[in-house]
Amino acid sequence: DAGVTQSPTHLIKTRGQHVTLRCSPISGHKSVSWYQQVLGQGPQFIFQYYEKEERGRGNFPDRFSARQFPNYSSELNVNALLLGDSALYLCASSFWGEKLFFGSGTQLSVL
Amino acid sequence: DQQVKQNSPSLSVQEGRISILNCDYTNSMFDYFLWYKKYPAEGPTFLISISSIKDKNEDGRFTVFLNKSAKHLSLHIVPSQPGDSAVYFCAASVQGGGSNYKLTFGKGTLLTVNP
Repeated sequence: DAGVTQSPTHLIKTRGQHVTLRCSPISGHKSVSWYQQVLGQGPQFIFQYYEKEERGRGNFPDRFSARQFPNYSSELNVNALLLGDSALYLCASSFWGEKLFFGSGTQLSVL
Repeated sequence: DQQVKQNSPSLSVQEGRISILNCDYTNSMFDYFLWYKKYPAEGPTFLISISSIKDKNEDGRFTVFLNKSAKHLSLHIVPSQPGDSAVYFCAASVQGGGSNYKLTFGKGTLLTVNP
Protein backbone atom coordinates (compact mmCIF):
# COMPACT_ATOMS: atom_id res chain seq x y z
CA ASP A 1 0.00 0.00 0.00
CA ALA A 2 1.21 3.48 -0.82
CA GLY A 3 2.00 5.72 2.10
CA VAL A 4 1.45 9.45 2.28
CA THR A 5 2.91 11.04 -0.82
CA GLN A 6 3.98 14.65 -1.09
CA SER A 7 5.07 16.68 -4.07
CA PRO A 8 7.39 18.21 -4.89
CA THR A 9 10.17 16.84 -2.69
CA HIS A 10 12.27 19.99 -3.03
CA LEU A 11 11.42 23.51 -4.07
CA ILE A 12 13.34 26.75 -4.37
CA LYS A 13 11.46 30.03 -4.44
CA THR A 14 12.31 33.71 -4.04
CA ARG A 15 10.84 36.13 -1.55
CA GLY A 16 7.37 37.35 -2.45
CA GLN A 17 6.49 34.36 -4.58
CA HIS A 18 3.65 31.93 -4.04
CA VAL A 19 3.98 28.18 -3.49
CA THR A 20 1.59 25.23 -3.60
CA LEU A 21 2.46 21.96 -1.89
CA ARG A 22 0.47 18.80 -2.53
CA CYS A 23 -0.33 15.76 -0.46
CA SER A 24 -2.08 12.45 -1.11
CA PRO A 25 -3.15 10.60 2.02
CA ILE A 26 -3.13 6.88 2.59
CA SER A 27 -6.12 5.25 0.94
CA GLY A 28 -9.07 5.27 3.36
CA HIS A 29 -7.71 8.12 5.48
CA LYS A 30 -10.08 11.05 5.59
CA SER A 31 -7.98 13.39 7.71
CA VAL A 32 -4.96 15.37 6.55
CA SER A 33 -2.74 17.62 8.64
CA TRP A 34 0.08 19.94 7.69
CA TYR A 35 3.14 20.65 9.83
CA GLN A 36 6.13 22.94 9.38
CA GLN A 37 9.52 21.79 10.64
CA VAL A 38 12.25 24.38 10.85
CA LEU A 39 15.80 23.08 11.22
CA GLY A 40 16.51 22.12 14.81
CA GLN A 41 12.87 22.30 15.88
CA GLY A 42 10.02 19.84 16.12
CA PRO A 43 7.15 19.88 13.65
CA GLN A 44 4.70 22.73 14.24
CA PHE A 45 1.00 22.34 13.51
CA ILE A 46 -0.39 24.41 10.63
CA PHE A 47 -3.77 22.91 9.64
CA GLN A 48 -5.94 19.87 10.10
CA TYR A 49 -8.73 18.84 7.73
CA TYR A 50 -11.30 16.10 8.11
CA GLU A 51 -13.87 15.29 5.48
CA LYS A 52 -12.92 18.45 3.59
CA GLU A 53 -13.62 20.69 6.57
CA GLU A 54 -10.98 22.66 8.43
CA ARG A 55 -10.89 21.26 11.97
CA GLY A 56 -7.91 23.13 13.34
CA ARG A 57 -5.50 25.90 12.55
CA GLY A 58 -2.16 26.66 14.16
CA ASN A 59 -0.55 29.99 14.89
CA PHE A 60 0.39 30.88 11.33
CA PRO A 61 -0.37 34.07 9.37
CA ASP A 62 -3.14 34.31 6.81
CA ARG A 63 -0.54 33.90 4.08
CA PHE A 64 -0.91 30.21 4.80
CA SER A 65 -4.02 28.48 3.51
CA ALA A 66 -5.04 24.95 2.70
CA ARG A 67 -7.86 22.90 1.34
CA GLN A 68 -8.89 19.28 1.06
CA PHE A 69 -10.44 17.85 -2.06
CA PRO A 70 -13.25 15.28 -2.47
CA ASN A 71 -10.64 12.52 -2.94
CA TYR A 72 -9.12 13.62 0.42
CA SER A 73 -5.90 14.91 -1.12
CA SER A 74 -4.81 18.31 0.08
CA GLU A 75 -2.93 21.43 -0.91
CA LEU A 76 -1.04 23.88 1.25
CA ASN A 77 -0.62 27.34 -0.21
CA VAL A 78 1.75 30.01 1.02
CA ASN A 79 1.61 33.53 -0.39
CA ALA A 80 4.18 36.32 -0.27
CA LEU A 81 6.98 34.01 0.78
CA LEU A 82 9.43 35.19 3.41
CA LEU A 83 12.92 33.88 4.13
CA GLY A 84 11.58 32.49 7.39
CA ASP A 85 9.19 30.21 5.51
CA SER A 86 12.15 28.05 4.55
CA ALA A 87 11.41 24.72 6.19
CA LEU A 88 10.41 21.11 5.73
CA TYR A 89 6.64 20.93 5.22
CA LEU A 90 5.16 17.66 6.38
CA CYS A 91 1.78 16.25 5.50
CA ALA A 92 0.21 13.56 7.64
CA SER A 93 -2.91 11.50 7.25
CA SER A 94 -4.95 9.60 9.76
CA PHE A 95 -7.93 7.30 9.70
CA TRP A 96 -8.99 8.33 13.19
CA GLY A 97 -7.22 10.12 16.00
CA GLU A 98 -3.69 11.24 16.63
CA LYS A 99 -1.79 8.28 15.20
CA LEU A 100 -0.51 10.16 12.20
CA PHE A 101 1.24 8.76 9.17
CA PHE A 102 3.66 11.29 7.76
CA GLY A 103 4.95 11.77 4.27
CA SER A 104 8.62 12.46 3.61
CA GLY A 105 7.94 16.17 3.29
CA THR A 106 8.63 19.01 0.90
CA GLN A 107 11.83 20.92 1.56
CA LEU A 108 11.14 24.56 0.73
CA SER A 109 13.99 27.02 0.36
CA VAL A 110 13.18 30.71 0.04
CA LEU A 111 16.01 32.86 -1.32
CA ASP B 1 6.39 29.23 25.00
CA GLN B 2 7.38 25.65 24.53
CA GLN B 3 4.69 23.38 25.91
CA VAL B 4 6.58 20.16 25.20
CA LYS B 5 10.23 20.06 26.11
CA GLN B 6 12.93 17.56 25.30
CA ASN B 7 15.91 18.95 27.16
CA SER B 8 18.50 16.50 25.85
CA PRO B 9 19.38 17.29 22.23
CA SER B 10 21.34 14.06 21.94
CA LEU B 11 21.94 10.73 23.64
CA SER B 12 24.54 8.07 22.92
CA VAL B 13 24.26 4.48 24.19
CA GLN B 14 25.92 1.15 23.56
CA GLU B 15 24.15 -1.58 21.65
CA GLY B 16 22.27 -3.88 24.00
CA ARG B 17 21.94 -1.29 26.77
CA ILE B 18 18.86 0.70 27.73
CA SER B 19 18.06 4.03 26.08
CA ILE B 20 15.97 6.46 28.11
CA LEU B 21 14.55 9.50 26.38
CA ASN B 22 12.81 12.13 28.47
CA CYS B 23 10.07 14.64 27.83
CA ASP B 24 8.40 17.28 29.99
CA TYR B 25 5.22 19.19 29.30
CA THR B 26 3.68 22.29 30.80
CA ASN B 27 0.08 22.23 29.53
CA SER B 28 -2.04 20.32 32.02
CA MET B 29 -4.77 19.94 29.38
CA PHE B 30 -2.64 17.45 27.45
CA ASP B 31 -4.05 13.99 27.94
CA TYR B 32 -2.59 11.93 25.12
CA PHE B 33 1.09 11.50 24.41
CA LEU B 34 2.98 9.97 21.53
CA TRP B 35 6.53 9.20 20.49
CA TYR B 36 7.64 9.44 16.90
CA LYS B 37 11.03 8.61 15.43
CA LYS B 38 12.51 10.20 12.37
CA TYR B 39 15.28 9.02 10.07
CA PRO B 40 17.00 11.52 7.77
CA ALA B 41 15.06 12.30 4.59
CA GLU B 42 11.97 10.54 5.91
CA GLY B 43 8.86 11.71 7.70
CA PRO B 44 8.31 10.92 11.38
CA THR B 45 7.04 7.41 12.12
CA PHE B 46 4.66 6.63 14.96
CA LEU B 47 6.27 4.54 17.67
CA ILE B 48 4.09 4.31 20.74
CA SER B 49 1.46 6.30 22.61
CA ILE B 50 -0.10 6.57 26.04
CA SER B 51 -3.30 8.03 27.38
CA SER B 52 -3.30 10.01 30.61
CA ILE B 53 -5.45 7.35 32.28
CA LYS B 54 -2.44 5.02 32.17
CA ASP B 55 1.04 5.32 33.60
CA LYS B 56 2.75 2.74 31.42
CA ASN B 57 2.39 1.32 27.95
CA GLU B 58 4.60 -1.36 26.46
CA ASP B 59 5.16 -2.52 22.90
CA GLY B 60 7.99 -4.95 22.37
CA ARG B 61 11.28 -3.26 23.15
CA PHE B 62 9.59 0.09 23.69
CA THR B 63 7.94 1.25 26.91
CA VAL B 64 6.53 4.68 27.66
CA PHE B 65 6.08 5.85 31.24
CA LEU B 66 3.87 8.76 32.22
CA ASN B 67 4.12 10.69 35.50
CA LYS B 68 1.19 13.10 35.44
CA SER B 69 2.02 14.81 38.71
CA ALA B 70 5.48 15.68 37.43
CA LYS B 71 4.21 16.33 33.88
CA HIS B 72 6.93 14.02 32.66
CA LEU B 73 7.12 11.08 30.32
CA SER B 74 9.94 8.86 29.22
CA LEU B 75 10.58 6.34 26.48
CA HIS B 76 12.64 3.27 27.33
CA ILE B 77 14.20 1.16 24.60
CA VAL B 78 15.55 -2.20 25.73
CA PRO B 79 17.76 -3.56 24.32
CA SER B 80 18.95 -0.73 22.09
CA GLN B 81 19.96 -1.61 18.55
CA PRO B 82 22.00 0.35 15.98
CA GLY B 83 18.87 0.61 13.81
CA ASP B 84 17.25 2.62 16.58
CA SER B 85 19.59 5.51 15.82
CA ALA B 86 17.26 8.35 14.82
CA VAL B 87 15.70 11.55 16.11
CA TYR B 88 12.92 10.86 18.61
CA PHE B 89 10.10 13.35 19.02
CA CYS B 90 7.76 13.53 21.96
CA ALA B 91 4.29 14.87 21.09
CA ALA B 92 1.19 15.72 23.08
CA SER B 93 -2.44 16.33 22.33
CA VAL B 94 -5.66 17.40 23.97
CA GLN B 95 -7.76 14.47 22.84
CA GLY B 96 -10.69 16.34 21.46
CA GLY B 97 -12.26 13.48 19.62
CA GLY B 98 -11.10 11.27 16.84
CA SER B 99 -11.61 13.76 14.04
CA ASN B 100 -10.15 16.84 15.73
CA TYR B 101 -6.58 16.88 16.89
CA LYS B 102 -3.44 18.91 16.97
CA LEU B 103 -0.08 17.52 18.00
CA THR B 104 2.42 19.69 19.86
CA PHE B 105 5.94 18.38 19.36
CA GLY B 106 9.15 18.75 21.31
CA LYS B 107 12.40 19.65 19.57
CA GLY B 108 13.56 16.07 19.43
CA THR B 109 16.44 14.01 20.81
CA LEU B 110 19.04 12.46 18.52
CA LEU B 111 19.70 8.91 19.70
CA THR B 112 22.88 7.21 18.56
CA VAL B 113 23.31 3.52 19.34
CA ASN B 114 26.90 2.45 18.97
CA PRO B 115 27.73 -1.15 17.94
